[in-house]
Amino acid sequence: IAGITQAPTSQILAAGRRMTLRCTQDMRHNAMYWYRQDLGLGLRLIHYSNTAGTTGKGEVPDGYSVSRANTDDFPLTLASAVPSQTSVYFCASSVDSVRDTQYFGPGTRLTVL
Amino acid sequence: QQQVKQSPQSLIVQKGGISIINCAYENTAFDYFPWYQQFPGKGPALLIAIRPDVSEKKEGRFTISFNKSAKQFSLHIMDSQPGDSATYFCAASKTGTASKLTFGTGTRLQVTL
Repeated sequence: IAGITQAPTSQILAAGRRMTLRCTQDMRHNAMYWYRQDLGLGLRLIHYSNTAGTTGKGEVPDGYSVSRANTDDFPLTLASAVPSQTSVYFCASSVDSVRDTQYFGPGTRLTVL
Repeated sequence: QQQVKQSPQSLIVQKGGISIINCAYENTAFDYFPWYQQFPGKGPALLIAIRPDVSEKKEGRFTISFNKSAKQFSLHIMDSQPGDSATYFCAASKTGTASKLTFGTGTRLQVTL
């Protein structure tokens, strides 16, 4: 059982390019989340999904989009990357949006030049 | 607006000592307070959590102390070990709103021999 997998592990991207970060969980969790982690700022929520077919905006959604076509996958897309999106991105999931324990993936380190 | 303030930013403790990390919150609606532990290159993992119906919760060497009137909670690591060296994040949310988990900025703990 892998839990949450994220791909790629790391990526260097030219500004203006489109990029999709992948997240897959095998725990059949209903709720999924995307965070970015920046030094001194902790973890900030980008987008979330309480169940397949629904998504919501977090604290820092601008420049990012998500989709939730099924329970397992929750991709995060940067339509036109900018240097300020350089960060470590973590996908997380929880059983549902009521039970609070979130389980995190290993992260994707993204550098936008 | 930072709703959860965490201190110190970094902490060095000798092996066998007590590590103490503090957090303060502003939103009185918060009633779920977890601590996450993150090792380098890994995603955060839930360490211990408390709800305000108790003032203290202990799991092994890890204890959360909670002061509702002061809107503060802290993590105490007794008999700190080098293997405890990691970054610790406090967080807070209102029960049942997992998507609204707000994290502190993190404390990097180093336990020396």
